[in-house]
Amino acid sequence: AQSVTQLGSHVSVSEGALVLLRCNYSSSVPPYLFWYVQYPNQGLQLLLKYTSAATLVKGINGFEAEFKKSETSFHLTKPSAHMSDAAEYFCAVSDQGGDDYKLSFGAGTTVTVRA
Amino acid sequence: NAGVTQTPKFQVLKTGQSMTLQCAQDMNHEYMSWYRQDPGMGLRLIHYSVGAGITDQGEVPNGYNVSRSTTEDFPLRLLSAAPSQTSVYFCASSIGWGTSGANVLTFGAGSRLTVL
Repeated sequence: AQSVTQLGSHVSVSEGALVLLRCNYSSSVPPYLFWYVQYPNQGLQLLLKYTSAATLVKGINGFEAEFKKSETSFHLTKPSAHMSDAAEYFCAVSDQGGDDYKLSFGAGTTVTVRA
Repeated sequence: NAGVTQTPKFQVLKTGQSMTLQCAQDMNHEYMSWYRQDPGMGLRLIHYSVGAGITDQGEVPNGYNVSRSTTEDFPLRLLSAAPSQTSVYFCASSIGWGTSGANVLTFGAGSRLTVL
């Protein structure tokens, strides 16, 4: 079964600094990979997704992630943090095709942005 | 566009009580699912449905029932609530698999349940 591990439950960055959130996946077949963001008291919304078309994926709000098969990683980055980036971020994985519709989520990383 | 609507937003139950969390989507999505979110554990899949009349268990199904009589609605039932079911519950839907790429979920705003 596929799974993801997010390294670091909390990340604190200064405004304007690089944001780096780490995600490693475990899947027996080439996966689909996702990053979702959850703002306080809201549901999750999609930041970006990897579907094998390109290894570098650009998402909303200046975020991007790179799929590295050799490292089984899908780390999320943003060059310059903004106060509005304070939220919880989830990495998720599912198998491509077949009849497996299910997404498995990581434990989440909470981002705090310091002024 | 309403998207995915969950009710109620907040609920307090006593141990042993039953209740139903409602979920409705107006996007004609085939796939619907329920997750629970607990601190440090991310989201865990409870039950899911790939279409009307079809449901299946996820990772943590015990203590919960679901049904899918229409495409739009996917209620989650707690038959006899336990304190371990205190959590935030999210309903999520997608258009389905195999359509223009990966399965992207649209989430509801969540239902916060406390069981005393």
